[in-house]
Amino acid sequence: SQQGEEDPQALSIQEGENATMNCSYKTSINNLQWYRQNSGRGLVHLILIRSNEREKHSGRLRVTLDTSKKSSSLLITASRAADTASYFCATHPPGGGNKLTFGTGTQLKVEL
Amino acid sequence: DAGVIQSPRHEVTEMGQEVTLRCKPISGHDYLFWYRQTMMRGLELLIYFNNNVPIDDSGMPEDRFSAKMPNASFSTLKIQPSEPRDSAVYFCASLPGTGVMGTDTQYFGPGTRLTVL
Repeated sequence: SQQGEEDPQALSIQEGENATMNCSYKTSINNLQWYRQNSGRGLVHLILIRSNEREKHSGRLRVTLDTSKKSSSLLITASRAADTASYFCATHPPGGGNKLTFGTGTQLKVEL
Repeated sequence: DAGVIQSPRHEVTEMGQEVTLRCKPISGHDYLFWYRQTMMRGLELLIYFNNNVPIDDSGMPEDRFSAKMPNASFSTLKIQPSEPRDSAVYFCASLPGTGVMGTDTQYFGPGTRLTVL
């Protein structure tokens, strides 16, 4: 079963604009991770945010986490055509070992 | 490092046939995961191993599915007999297992696209 639901399901923007994707989840978590999947490829890890963190940055990526609302957002600033991909959040529950539960994903298209 | 290697990349078979998917994890990684991805159900964890031992197989859909990890560098996912609803992309991922539980990155292979006619 899927723990996370991403919103929107699809997003189309122009190069240079910012892209924001949201993830909502159902149970408590130890941490939340974001992954990217280019068409026809496997997933690639982007960033991890722990449950006691509220915001984290990595290059053009900014992730926020609100555990009270059980939600996270991924912001990609100054988007590029190469950012076109699907983005997934993945949650790690307490006592879950190294098991992650992935969300439904947001398809991002960045147009020139 | 070559990353996680999966074979074949594409498999087309007929209903009722046995299908074997193969995975070579990154050397030194202690964990191996098998996922299935479809449009309808998204990315589902089927089973995962730690040091070659199956830890959680609750995602394996039916007895037709089986997975083995005979050694640290090789795993198989077998479907016997295959059905059209098994058509999906199957991913293998590995994880070092050296960090705090749940904080390691999973490294995904390129996937095997399975089509069962």
